[in-house]
Amino acid sequence: GNSVTQMEGPVTLSEEAFLTINCTYTATGYPSLFWYVQYPGEGLQLLLKATKADDKGSNKGFEATYRKETTSFHLEKGSVQVSDSAVYFCALRPLGGKLIFGQGTELSVKP
Amino acid sequence: DTEVTQTPKHLVMGMTNKKSLKCEQHMGHRAMYWYKQKAKKPPELMFVYSYEKLSINESVPSRFSPECPNSSLLNLHLHALQPEDSALYLCASSQEHGAYEQYFGPGTRLTVT
Repeated sequence: GNSVTQMEGPVTLSEEAFLTINCTYTATGYPSLFWYVQYPGEGLQLLLKATKADDKGSNKGFEATYRKETTSFHLEKGSVQVSDSAVYFCALRPLGGKLIFGQGTELSVKP
Repeated sequence: DTEVTQTPKHLVMGMTNKKSLKCEQHMGHRAMYWYKQKAKKPPELMFVYSYEKLSINESVPSRFSPECPNSSLLNLHLHALQPEDSALYLCASSQEHGAYEQYFGPGTRLTVT
């Protein structure tokens, strides 16, 4: 079946540190991959997406590359800010199927 | 514009009350979704509407009743809820069901007393 596994949190970083949140997936076929972010007290916002192998999604300094050989879609940012503190969800959607979320990774950035 | 709006933002209701959650999008999307999210967990799909017709019901109890009056609006009618139904209820939409990304609203924080 289809599933998403994310690194467990919480992740605590100092401001300007490098961020990596690992995400691996299991899927049949060629799913689309997404990162969503949920700030405290808010709904989910689409952060970035990739729809085929080797695509790189990017937004607001965040990047993730669709790696089919390692079935991964790790989220990276070169220099985090306090305002990046949130819960990050990796998700996949098989063609014609439902959106499947990972468990979420809570990020806390300290000044 | 990728905005999905939801009202109310917060709702407190007793177990005998009847209330409704509302969701609206003006992106011309033809698929709309209801999700339930418990604290520190991922959203769980409840219902999917495609072209204003219910296409997926994830075995949701009948005390939750969805309605899609037109392609821009989605309601969730609530009746005789239980305290364990307290959660954040998220609406989402996408251009088509099963394709393209989903855009989420800010959610309604529901507390059942």
